[in-house]
Amino acid sequence: SQKIEQNSEALNIQEGKTATLTCNYTNYSPAYLQWYRQDPGRGPVFLLLIRENEKEKRKERLKVTFDTTLKQSLFHITASQPADSATYLCALAGNNAGNMLTFGGGTRLMVKP
Amino acid sequence: DTGVSQNPRHKITKRGQNVTFRCDPISEHNRLYWYRQTLGQGPEFLTYFQNEAQLEKSRLLSDRFSAERPKGSFSTLEIQRTEQGDSAMYLCASSRQLAVSSYNEQFFGPGTRLTVL
Repeated sequence: SQKIEQNSEALNIQEGKTATLTCNYTNYSPAYLQWYRQDPGRGPVFLLLIRENEKEKRKERLKVTFDTTLKQSLFHITASQPADSATYLCALAGNNAGNMLTFGGGTRLMVKP
Repeated sequence: DTGVSQNPRHKITKRGQNVTFRCDPISEHNRLYWYRQTLGQGPEFLTYFQNEAQLEKSRLLSDRFSAERPKGSFSTLEIQRTEQGDSAMYLCASSRQLAVSSYNEQFFGPGTRLTVL
């Protein structure tokens, strides 16, 4: 069955450093991979989308890589700030008719001042 | 606010009662999705609509769950005879599907948190 793994342990980093989160998947050939941010008690907020034929995508302090050979995506936040503290979710979608998302369990990021 | 809205934000009910949640998608979005999220997990897909047509419902958790989108705008998710295991956050998302081969990101609402006592 499809499996998406994100580090379930919280990632603690110091303000100003680069945070790197990992998303690994098995038994899946996604056409699209997305990263979402989720704060406690709130819905996920869309951050970045990367397609299977793209290697890297950037938006302001965010960068996503997508390696379909390794079946892995890396999500980077540069110059991290305490306001970046949240849970980050990786979500995959195929080219099926509905493009429904399959999510990983999320990684909690804590940025300390 | 032109984002996805959900009502109510919180619902507490007793086991065996029926509950209904509402989702209003972003106005120009023709696709609407329902997901369920339990504590510490990522959202889990339940069902989706393309306009008013429900095109996938095999992932609904049981026959106690049903969803409608009668006019292709807002949608409702109903859970009949609620059980304690139904306690979770129910999330709605919408997207704009321009063509069969296109893909656009899904935008989520704030969710409805259901607690079944």
